[in-house]
Amino acid sequence: GAGVSQSPSNKVTEKGKDVELRCDPISGHTALYWYRQSLGQGLEFLIYFQGNSAPDKSGLPSDRFSAERTGGSVSTLTIQRTQQEDSAVYLCASSLRWAAQETQYFGPGTRLLVL
Amino acid sequence: AQRVTQPEKLLSVFKGAPVELKCNYSYSGSPELFWYVQYSRQRLQLLLRHISRESIKGFTADLNKGETSFHLKKPFAQEEDSAMYYCAPLIPGNTGKLIFGQGTTLQVKP
Repeated sequence: GAGVSQSPSNKVTEKGKDVELRCDPISGHTALYWYRQSLGQGLEFLIYFQGNSAPDKSGLPSDRFSAERTGGSVSTLTIQRTQQEDSAVYLCASSLRWAAQETQYFGPGTRLLVL
Repeated sequence: AQRVTQPEKLLSVFKGAPVELKCNYSYSGSPELFWYVQYSRQRLQLLLRHISRESIKGFTADLNKGETSFHLKKPFAQEEDSAMYYCAPLIPGNTGKLIFGQGTTLQVKP
């Protein structure tokens, strides 16, 4: 079946604008994760969902970042009033369950550039 | 604080040489440990995990609780092993939350 998909693949925006990044997990996967991959910063955990619920939002860098998941499927990561430091590759992953030991399957990422 | 350290940003070896990518973690309890790999222009994908005790593409990783390490090893590197490797302990608490190391780029020269 299809893997995790993300859109757009690339996004260039101006500082101060809002952006929405979309993630379509593997069908049937109940857990969904967002990570950020920045130059020199490695991979940074942002938020995860168990179904439509996000129990831990502590990884979000600031209150300009928010995420939601609807219908236990698609998730959207929204960044308001983008800043240049938000430029990064945003990765989404899903797993069958939210329990430990589950393999996470990653999407191709959305490359965000804030000018 | 919970941390994972991959001390080498770049590891360069010749084909056929042994490879060891280092990973040290500092967590209370016994986290489940994973290695993920990202080949050029491909997605990040699972390479292996400690609980499976399996060898994937000739790679193995042994958990050393005394040294809190989970180094990735391969006896004979191949050119196709060139990639970015991330060590990722799973935070105890059954959340599935992975904390990745900074990553090590492995370059295998012909």
